[in-house]
Amino acid sequence: AQTVTQSQPEMSVQEAETVTLSCTYDTSESDYYLFWYKQPPSRQMILVIRQEAYKQQNATENRFSVNFQKAAKSFSLKISDSQLGDAAMYFCAYKYNNNDMRFGAGTRLTVKP
Amino acid sequence: EAQVTQNPRYLITVTGKKLTVTCSQNMNHEYMSWYRQDPGLGLRQIYYSMNVEVTDKGDVPEGYKVSRKEKRNFPLILESPSPNQTSLYFCASSLGTGSYGYTFGSGTRLTVV
Repeated sequence: AQTVTQSQPEMSVQEAETVTLSCTYDTSESDYYLFWYKQPPSRQMILVIRQEAYKQQNATENRFSVNFQKAAKSFSLKISDSQLGDAAMYFCAYKYNNNDMRFGAGTRLTVKP
Repeated sequence: EAQVTQNPRYLITVTGKKLTVTCSQNMNHEYMSWYRQDPGLGLRQIYYSMNVEVTDKGDVPEGYKVSRKEKRNFPLILESPSPNQTSLYFCASSLGTGSYGYTFGSGTRLTVV
């Protein structure tokens, strides 16, 4: 079974600084999809960024970017110029072609003013 | 507005009293799924449905039932709730396989006393 591991239960960053959240996954498949979701205190699950495994280029969405290392099965999220509104729980997720999405345990990010 | 509507948002009930959490999506998605979120465990899949009348167990199906009689609705039923089912529940839907992410409902905080 595919598993997703987020080794950092909590992280903190100073406003305007950069922070990187780690994620590793275990799979025997070669074609799959990876996601980062943000969950603010409102509980809403918000898609931040996605990456197709067949693409070598790292995905970028404004201040959010990923470092996808397929051989190492690593998918970290980098948040640049951190803002107070970035404070949330962040979940890494893996999806195979059967539509089944597996989530990590989450990383709680605190942004200090 | 494209959305997944989940109700109720909060629910407190007593052990053994049957309850239903409703979920409806207006995006004509074929795939729908239920997750529970617990601290330190992330989101774990309870049941999923690939289409009308097609449902299957996820990782933690014990104590839950689902049905998919219409494409838009996917209710979660707890026939005899127990305190270990106290959790945050999410319904999600997806357009299909591939890089499509999930659209989540706003969550149901269930407390069983």
